[in-house]
Amino acid sequence: DIQMTQSPSSLSASVGDRVTITCRASQGIRNDLGWYQQIPGKAPKRLIYGASNLQSGVPSRFSGSGSGTEFTLTISSLQPEDFATYYCLQHNSYPRTFGQGTKVEIK
Amino acid sequence: QVQLVESGGGVVQPGRSLRLSCAASISMFNTYGMHWVRQAPGKGLEWVATISYDGSTKYYVESVKGRFTISRDNSKNTLYLQMNSLRAEDTAVYYCFLRNFYDSLRRAFDLWGQGTMVTVSS
Repeated sequence: DIQMTQSPSSLSASVGDRVTITCRASQGIRNDLGWYQQIPGKAPKRLIYGASNLQSGVPSRFSGSGSGTEFTLTISSLQPEDFATYYCLQHNSYPRTFGQGTKVEIK
Repeated sequence: QVQLVESGGGVVQPGRSLRLSCAASISMFNTYGMHWVRQAPGKGLEWVATISYDGSTKYYVESVKGRFTISRDNSKNTLYLQMNSLRAEDTAVYYCFLRNFYDSLRRAFDLWGQGTMVTVSS
């Protein structure tokens, strides 16, 4: 099974800060990775697909990069509506696996 | 309106069964693989099961193998999750999920239901 190690598990940041979240796969998954945002009480929503492609309708301050085993989600300038939990999901092989999540909180 | 709507959650005793349904208001439901994902209270997301577009191929997370069965009825645009021998650790919000739904412009979107809560408790 592919393990997805996501870091950090939580972070505190201010509006306007640049934020970076990392997912590391236990084996190569090409670019078969998505990033999801979840606001408490709501279903997740995809931000990035194919590791680096911005989902239609998602603000351009979100970006993704990486391939193989190392992946990064970057928020270039954190906005109030971005305080949420973020997950990566690999869809390279079964079982599908999510990262443990990163909770982004207000400093 | 394009949407997924789950139903069937509730409170059930350990060892009992429950069947979740996910009604899909989308065209060409019979061309999409579908998934169930769950989230225990205060915890992260966990993929549970996947079924291919025609129901011929199924995958499960290890912890539910032999107890849960994913199925679909393409004539009813509905996805199911039959959950048997339920345990306390199955307590979670269950979401049905379509990873890549294509709109009329061939743009890919993810679709999620609103979630249905399953509580396993005596």
